[in-house]
Amino acid sequence: AQKITQTQPGMFVQEKEAVTLDCTYDTSDPSYGLFWYKQPSSGEMIFLIYQGSYDQQNATEGRYSLNFQKARKSANLVISASQLGDSAMYFCAMRPIHTNAGKSTFGDGTTLTVKP
Amino acid sequence: EPEVTQTPSHQVTQMGQEVILRCVPISNHLYFYWYRQILGQKVEFLVSFYNNEISEKSEIFDDQFSVERPDGSNFTLKIRSTKLEDSAMYFCASSESSRTQYFGPGTRLTVL
Repeated sequence: AQKITQTQPGMFVQEKEAVTLDCTYDTSDPSYGLFWYKQPSSGEMIFLIYQGSYDQQNATEGRYSLNFQKARKSANLVISASQLGDSAMYFCAMRPIHTNAGKSTFGDGTTLTVKP
Repeated sequence: EPEVTQTPSHQVTQMGQEVILRCVPISNHLYFYWYRQILGQKVEFLVSFYNNEISEKSEIFDDQFSVERPDGSNFTLKIRSTKLEDSAMYFCASSESSRTQYFGPGTRLTVL
């Protein structure tokens, strides 16, 4: 079974500053993928970044980076230079990657509010 | 950029009625999924689908639910007899590999 824990129900950050959203996970799968999604108030789920458990380097996508610490089972999302449009709910998720049809397991989410 | 589309964006139905939620996955993707999100809660897996059959389903996906790929482009979720607790946002997703999973904009289902 897979489990994702996001311990921060809500976070505040000042515009233009960096923010880290926490995610820890638990799984018995030897190989897995970790995802972050953004859900604005309009409701859609926007894929942000992916990290494979065997990837040597931490993933980066523009202003998003994933701080992957395998031994600690953590996959924190770092957003640099926050913008007002970053205000949204953020979900961490994981999937097994030994199969292409693997289901995603989601955390409870963190609501990020960017202050002007 | 290719995207997953879903129709309708919002569906209101009476308890006990059948509903069909429609999705058009990204065209070269082979793996399809349905998830749901009850308001204010986490996203929950319902079912995955590959090669015209269900790969995996959750406990939520009982006999009231079914999925179908009726043609080369659409992927549908049917709820035979809706209950109040089926009210949720339903997301379709598709992927081409284990490293990707793209979600549609969702269908908000309201059961009265």
